[in-house]
Amino acid sequence: EAGVAQSPRYKIIEKRQSVAFWCNPISGHATLYWYQQILGQGPKLLIQFQNNGVVDDSQLPKDRFSAERLKGVDSTLKIQPAKLEDSAVYLCASRSEGAGDTQYFGPGTRLTVL
Amino acid sequence: AQSVTQLGSHVSVSEGALVLLRCNYSSSVPPYLFWYVQYPNQGLQLLLKYTTGATLVKGINGFEAEFKKSETSFHLTKPSAHMSDAAEYFCAVSDPGAGNMLTFGGGTRLMVKP
Repeated sequence: EAGVAQSPRYKIIEKRQSVAFWCNPISGHATLYWYQQILGQGPKLLIQFQNNGVVDDSQLPKDRFSAERLKGVDSTLKIQPAKLEDSAVYLCASRSEGAGDTQYFGPGTRLTVL
Repeated sequence: AQSVTQLGSHVSVSEGALVLLRCNYSSSVPPYLFWYVQYPNQGLQLLLKYTTGATLVKGINGFEAEFKKSETSFHLTKPSAHMSDAAEYFCAVSDPGAGNMLTFGGGTRLMVKP
């Protein structure tokens, strides 16, 4: 079974530029999450999708961050414009339907904003 | 709201010694509890989880954890550390009634000395 795929693995941009990250979840997983992991901290949830609908985006900075999952499979997370404090690893995870089912994480995208 | 506290951001043990990583949580509902491991430049990998049933949970790589409701704890242990156990460990709690979103602790970096 293929795992969660993310690209790119690394990205370096200047502040005020825009950037997009892509995630392909495990096949058949209806739920998809985006997390932000700042160096030295645990991951923090940004947004959760169930199929192509948003379940929770209360911690997403909507003035600069956006995410979509148009066909209920792949997802894209965008930052526009980026700030220095957005430097972090962005992790995507997916989960199947069971209540206790595991979230499987991708390798992450490391973003550096200069 | 849920929260997770991991006591000790860094833990150092000798190879062959007992590993004990502490995790305490707060939750208004019976939680699901998880331990994830993160190796450098990789995503999070599930070590073990507690959902219901037996409170002593065994995971991969010889790790186990015990859910103690009275102490609101879910400490991770391994009888004998191996060099390959050196990594970052994260405890997490999810609320089954709130989309199973994970709330992570700050992480504990385990160092294993030869």
